[in-house]
Amino acid sequence: DTAVSQTPKYLVTQMGNDKSIKCEQNLGHDTMYWYKQDSKKFLKIMFSYNNKELIINETVPNRFSPKSPDKAHLNLHINSLELGDSAVYFCASSLGLKNTEAFFGQGTRLTVV
Amino acid sequence: SQQGEEDPQALSIQEGENATMNCSYKTSINNLQWYRQNSGRGLVHLILIRSNEREKHSGRLRVTLDTSKKSSSLLITASRAADTASYFCARVTGTASKLTFGTGTRLQVTL
Repeated sequence: DTAVSQTPKYLVTQMGNDKSIKCEQNLGHDTMYWYKQDSKKFLKIMFSYNNKELIINETVPNRFSPKSPDKAHLNLHINSLELGDSAVYFCASSLGLKNTEAFFGQGTRLTVV
Repeated sequence: SQQGEEDPQALSIQEGENATMNCSYKTSINNLQWYRQNSGRGLVHLILIRSNEREKHSGRLRVTLDTSKKSSSLLITASRAADTASYFCARVTGTASKLTFGTGTRLQVTL
């Protein structure tokens, strides 16, 4: 019954690798987001999509590429992982662009070694 | 910085006491939201207050908004150990649908 689910929950990988995080929402929402939470718990938006269309790209390195195959899914692919990419990545969704109450997934803790 | 600042950074109270957290911001908002994050979990939406509202209640939660001072506060009354979590304010500005989060307040409620 999970509303916003992301996989995997934990990801440990070596520098230079490429990895993906998947996100799915079953709420029927039009808008999905990726947020990054650093070690100091600061949360910052990375991307938002509305109906599969990119709306916000918040000065994120182009090693990060989101993909939305349909409005219920927003995946995040990261190329050439760096130590500084270690963080918790949260997927979220909201009803639409004008309804911003967000529902968050459980997070993916990425550790780059 | 466009972030909000939350105050205090950490708060420790006993069960039954009230907890007040404050959030200040710099730019005009459409609405302001409060979220809770339990350790190791995702964020949970608590309450949304629009820029033309001054106060909202939800159960034991009371949120106020003062747009002239660009600040908001979250009051949790009769706190419980289960309220232990980090609390974040998040602002929505302009036409963008993104949430801009504050720095968070870590609340510890002890028995």
